[in-house]
Amino acid sequence: DIVMTQTPLSLSVTPGQPASISCKSSQSLQKSDGRTFLYWYLQKPGQPPQLLIHDVSYRFSRVPDRFSGSGSGTDFTLIISRVEAEDVGTYYCMQSLHLYSFGQGTKLEIK
Amino acid sequence: EVQLLESGGGLVQPGGSLRLSCAASGFTFSTYAMTWVRQAPGTGLEWVSSISDSGDHTYYGDSVKGRFTISRDNSKNTLFLQMNFLRAEDTALYYCAKAYTSDWYTCFDSWGQGTLVTVSS
Repeated sequence: DIVMTQTPLSLSVTPGQPASISCKSSQSLQKSDGRTFLYWYLQKPGQPPQLLIHDVSYRFSRVPDRFSGSGSGTDFTLIISRVEAEDVGTYYCMQSLHLYSFGQGTKLEIK
Repeated sequence: EVQLLESGGGLVQPGGSLRLSCAASGFTFSTYAMTWVRQAPGTGLEWVSSISDSGDHTYYGDSVKGRFTISRDNSKNTLFLQMNFLRAEDTALYYCAKAYTSDWYTCFDSWGQGTLVTVSS
């Protein structure tokens, strides 16, 4: 099984400041064809998760460009360039190389 | 617009059974794999089970293997999860989710609001 480990588990950010979340997988998420199967979700309070980033770095439809994803192999990062109040919630990374598994989640709050 | 509406949750005693349903609309249901993900109260997301577009292939997380069965009825655009031998640790909000692409190695782009399963005596 692939274990996904996120850090930090919580984050308090002043509006307008950047935020960064790390996600590490227990094995490489790159398939032999070169594709890498890492995604980011945001779960706002009381809502189901919503897809932010697919395939490491591609923003899903209507996701603001202040969200960006990067990384390769086993190390990945989600960056919010300028945090806004509506970004509050819990962020999860997920892999789909071998079935599916999620990180523990990173709770973002506004200072 | 994609819509996924889960139903069938409720209170059940340990060892009991429940059948969850997910009614899908707004897309060609028979061409996408579907998945169940659950979230125990105050905790993170746990993948439960996935099924291929045709229903020929099914996959389960270790915690539910042998107790849960995923299925689908493409003629009725509905996904199911039969849950047997339920345990207290199965208590969670159960979401159904749609695959983003027709590729198996993909994520989930649409989620329902979830149906709550509580296992307690």
